[in-house]
Amino acid sequence: NAGVMQNPRHLVRRRGQEARLRCSPMKGHSHVYWYRQLPEEGLKFMVYLQKENIIDESGMPKERFSAEFPKEGPSILRIQQVVRGDSAAYFCASSPRRDSGTEAFFGQGTRLTVV
Amino acid sequence: RKEVEQDPGPFNVPEGATVAFNCTYSNSASQSFFWYRQDCRKEPKLLMSVYSSGNEDGRFTAQLNRASQYISLLIRDSKLSDSATYLCVVMTGFQKLVFGTGTRLLVSP
Repeated sequence: NAGVMQNPRHLVRRRGQEARLRCSPMKGHSHVYWYRQLPEEGLKFMVYLQKENIIDESGMPKERFSAEFPKEGPSILRIQQVVRGDSAAYFCASSPRRDSGTEAFFGQGTRLTVV
Repeated sequence: RKEVEQDPGPFNVPEGATVAFNCTYSNSASQSFFWYRQDCRKEPKLLMSVYSSGNEDGRFTAQLNRASQYISLLIRDSKLSDSATYLCVVMTGFQKLVFGTGTRLLVSP
């Protein structure tokens, strides 16, 4: 059973370009979380999705950021018109169907660098 | 007030020492609690869940005080390999996981 897979591991984008980060949850997991970690800071919640539904996007910036978790395929975090301040590590985590007390498992992250 | 608060440290301790980390949370409706460990530039990994009755896993003991909204982690007989950032994590309603900023531990020879 493969763990949470994120790709790419490293992504370099010029200012103004789009960044697409992918996350394939563990097999059997239908809940996906995205977190952002700035250098020397903690993980900040961005969005929580289930298949085809956004459950909580309270941590997502209002502009340029979007996320989806389609019925088929990985979850995608999309950042349009990237700026230098978007440079960070973006972690995805997944957990099984809703069950109180279940921990989440993290992917290795995508390190986005905006130049 | 932050949802989950931790002392960022760093805590510098010698090998063999006992060290304790504390964490407070603001949402009294929080359902589940965890300690995660994060090594430099790596993903967080679950260290242990935290139960109301307290639980122990080898050198690690976690405790929860719901009345005070307080969680603790005790590490006995510290090893060099324990050096990492320890993240206090609270699961709120709808299974949203909220992370503290982490407490950095440095164990020296």
